[in-house]
Amino acid sequence: KAGVTQTPRYLIKTRGQQVTLSCSPISGHRSVSWYQQTPGQGLQFLFEYFSETQRNKGNFPGRFSGRQFSNSRSEMNVSTLELGDSALYLCASSLIAGAGGANVLTFGAGSRLTVL
Amino acid sequence: KNEVEQSPQNLTAQEGEFITINCSYSVGISALHWLQQHPGGGIVSLFMLSSGKKKHGRLIATINIQEKHSSLHITASHPRDSAVYICAVGADGLTFGKGTHLIIQP
Repeated sequence: KAGVTQTPRYLIKTRGQQVTLSCSPISGHRSVSWYQQTPGQGLQFLFEYFSETQRNKGNFPGRFSGRQFSNSRSEMNVSTLELGDSALYLCASSLIAGAGGANVLTFGAGSRLTVL
Repeated sequence: KNEVEQSPQNLTAQEGEFITINCSYSVGISALHWLQQHPGGGIVSLFMLSSGKKKHGRLIATINIQEKHSSLHITASHPRDSAVYICAVGADGLTFGKGTHLIIQP
């Protein structure tokens, strides 16, 4: 069966712009969680969506937001981009809610964002 | 907030060696995850542990809930095992270790 699909894989933006990233989970998976990976901070949890509702959120500013659609596909948006937002953004899907609990995650390949 | 410490940060070994990577965390958890990341970024989930020990092929993961400690072992290591291994813990949202950069030389 198809894995977790993230689009676009690579993108370049300039400071002040906004960006939208998409994540299509494995068929039947209703939870989608998002992560940011940078060389300095490593991997950090952004937020999790389950059944179109945000369940929890990591320690990120309000410029980072997301949503989930009825087909479980999720998007995350970053507004007013800063240089420090350059990162690999990963999403993961799972059958049940609780990203990180006793719940196996399947990761997408990531979207690499460069902010100039 | 959970703190996750991994050791070693970097490890270079010869093919065939037995590898151990350690992970300690500060707050009680419901599960611990071991992840593998190859150059290019893709992450693969290796194990999800809530107690005891799990084995998959040449990989073994153990967890001691009382001591808040987990280990990942690789037996008969191979160059294709070269990757970053990341420990992560949490219940609602993961906290990640910094990762162990493993290089297996032929």
